[in-house]
Amino acid sequence: DTAVSQTPKYLVTQMGNDKSIKCEQNLGHDTMYWYKQDSKKFLKIMFSYNNKELIINETVPNRFSPKSPDKAHLNLHINSLELGDSAVYFCASSPFNTGELFFGEGSRLTVL
Amino acid sequence: KDQVFQPSTVASSEGAVVEIFCNHSVSNAYNFFWYLHFPGCAPRLLVKGSKPSQQGRYNMTYERFSSSLLILQVREADAAVYYCAPCPLAGLTFGKGTHLIIQP
Repeated sequence: DTAVSQTPKYLVTQMGNDKSIKCEQNLGHDTMYWYKQDSKKFLKIMFSYNNKELIINETVPNRFSPKSPDKAHLNLHINSLELGDSAVYFCASSPFNTGELFFGEGSRLTVL
Repeated sequence: KDQVFQPSTVASSEGAVVEIFCNHSVSNAYNFFWYLHFPGCAPRLLVKGSKPSQQGRYNMTYERFSSSLLILQVREADAAVYYCAPCPLAGLTFGKGTHLIIQP
């Protein structure tokens, strides 16, 4: 019954690899987000999609590519992973334009 | 660039009232959110509003460029990270979180 679920929860990989993190929400929300929590614990928005359309794209390297096959899913693909990509990535969803976010439990990415 | 400021750490004793401050520079914020995060779990909404609000032991004050979260009768289980987020920044950028430490 998890409202926002993301997989995998933990991901350890080598520099230069390509990896994906998947996110699904069963709340019927229109908007989904990806956030990055770095070592300093900032929660920074990366992307936001509303009904499968990109509406927010913060300054993120183009190695990061979000994909939303439908409004219940927002996946994050990362190419050519770098050490600095190590972080916890949170997926979230919200009813459109309410600001109230429902988060997943996070995916901890470690790049070696 | 719009920013959100909150202390990195606040310490309190059990049973006390603890206050966590948050200031921001968002000129068109019309609402405020406080989120609670236990590491390893999903951050969740604690209290929100455009005026002083209360949700159980959690009170929220609201001014145009600041908000405080007051936690009544603090317990050891309240040790966590608290994020503030003015809206429309909510959904964009949060403060870096305040780690609440409960002292015996």
